[in-house]
Amino acid sequence: DGGITQSPKYLFRKEGQNVTLSCEQNLNHDAMYWYRQDPGQGLRLIYYSQIVNDFQKGDIAEGYSVSREKKESFPLTVTSAQKNPTAFYLCASSQTSGGFYEQYFGPGTRLTVT
Amino acid sequence: QKEVEQNSGPLSVPEGAIASLNCTYSDRGSQSFFWYRQYSGKSPELIMFIYSNGDKEDGRFTAQLNKASQYVSLLIRDSQPSDSATYLCAVIGIKAAGNKLTFGGGTRVLVKP
Repeated sequence: DGGITQSPKYLFRKEGQNVTLSCEQNLNHDAMYWYRQDPGQGLRLIYYSQIVNDFQKGDIAEGYSVSREKKESFPLTVTSAQKNPTAFYLCASSQTSGGFYEQYFGPGTRLTVT
Repeated sequence: QKEVEQNSGPLSVPEGAIASLNCTYSDRGSQSFFWYRQYSGKSPELIMFIYSNGDKEDGRFTAQLNKASQYVSLLIRDSQPSDSATYLCAVIGIKAAGNKLTFGGGTRVLVKP
């Protein structure tokens, strides 16, 4: 089955610890994205990557880091510098050519930092 | 002014009726428009996309785009209790680097049996 997987589903961490969220896709999509959703709010873009070994900051990149070493994988690290890391984190992917830009989302990771 | 605006709702609809959701956007050059459905605690699911002016129908869903007036709407016909969810409008602006989606805050829909 083609799709996007994220792990873990729930993650609990103590303040001051870095944590890495996994995102894998087998849709052969070139572009991958990370969004953050806070309760009752819309989605905000953290980072995106349109090609392997290249990525760009989104609207709220401070306190986060990413890597894109493989087409299928786009892990997100939430660092201790992120002031309010508790949120629902969503990974998405899309094609970048042919006029088709629909983004499809993974199931998400709910991060709680205490 | 927010880039993408939606009425937060809740929009209460009797079962079997038509639910009408609206979304306005500020970037006049926007080219691509999407509707996502998000159940509580779950990730967004793409239900419609539209790139040209006019209507696009898929099953019980119809997306309507009017670029001159800068709005896109979603109609849900024969609403079912399972349609109760938050519906997110998303837009790719003409200057959006990386085909970045800009989301509205979502409209919560409640379908009452």
